[in-house]
Amino acid sequence: DADVTQTPRNRITKTGKRIMLECSQTKGHDRMYWYRQDPGLGLRLIYYSFDVKDINKGEISDGYSVSRQAQAKFSLSLESAIPNQTALYFCATAGTSGRETQYFGPGTRLLVL
Amino acid sequence: SQQGEEDPQALSIQEGENATMNCSYKTSINNLQWYRQNSGRGLVHLILIRSNEREKHSGRLRVTLDTSKKSSSLLITASRAADTASYFCAVAAAGNKLTFGGGTRVLVKP
Repeated sequence: DADVTQTPRNRITKTGKRIMLECSQTKGHDRMYWYRQDPGLGLRLIYYSFDVKDINKGEISDGYSVSRQAQAKFSLSLESAIPNQTALYFCATAGTSGRETQYFGPGTRLLVL
Repeated sequence: SQQGEEDPQALSIQEGENATMNCSYKTSINNLQWYRQNSGRGLVHLILIRSNEREKHSGRLRVTLDTSKKSSSLLITASRAADTASYFCAVAAAGNKLTFGGGTRVLVKP
């Protein structure tokens, strides 16, 4: 089984709809991250969390919110989706040493019409 | 703005040749990491080089880091068709926040 899973893997929604993307991990990591990737570009950090009680904004948090329900679960919400939020979304986890690599989920492809 | 910037943006080589890509960054870092992404999939970590290291090897991969020039390079030796992917550098500042570059798309032709 994959260590970092994301649901759904693909989603089509309409402008104005609320949508939630979910991420679960079995690596026992405290740190979790949400990124978006636009075609031909690198990843940009949306939100990150260093433990259950910690939530931090990343580079592009506007229009997004997150919830860290448990150590293993980190959800990303689009309260009112807009077309320019069409992108590939990745969740990632990392250990607590502060220098470790990040482990990525398979991604969620989101299309906002 | 993205701190890591890769060069070239795209690279096409024949199987068996070496592939070299470069990454430049702007500020002090704890470490620099290289990731691979196969089309539309999640990123996979390749190698991490710490700020006090100058060179690191992992299999057919060789990474260098020059902190005075704020640059790193990734060399893939004896490339294979399976190496076709996008390669991203990511610089780690405090708190293990990674800032990714735009990536280098590598095509290895059989």
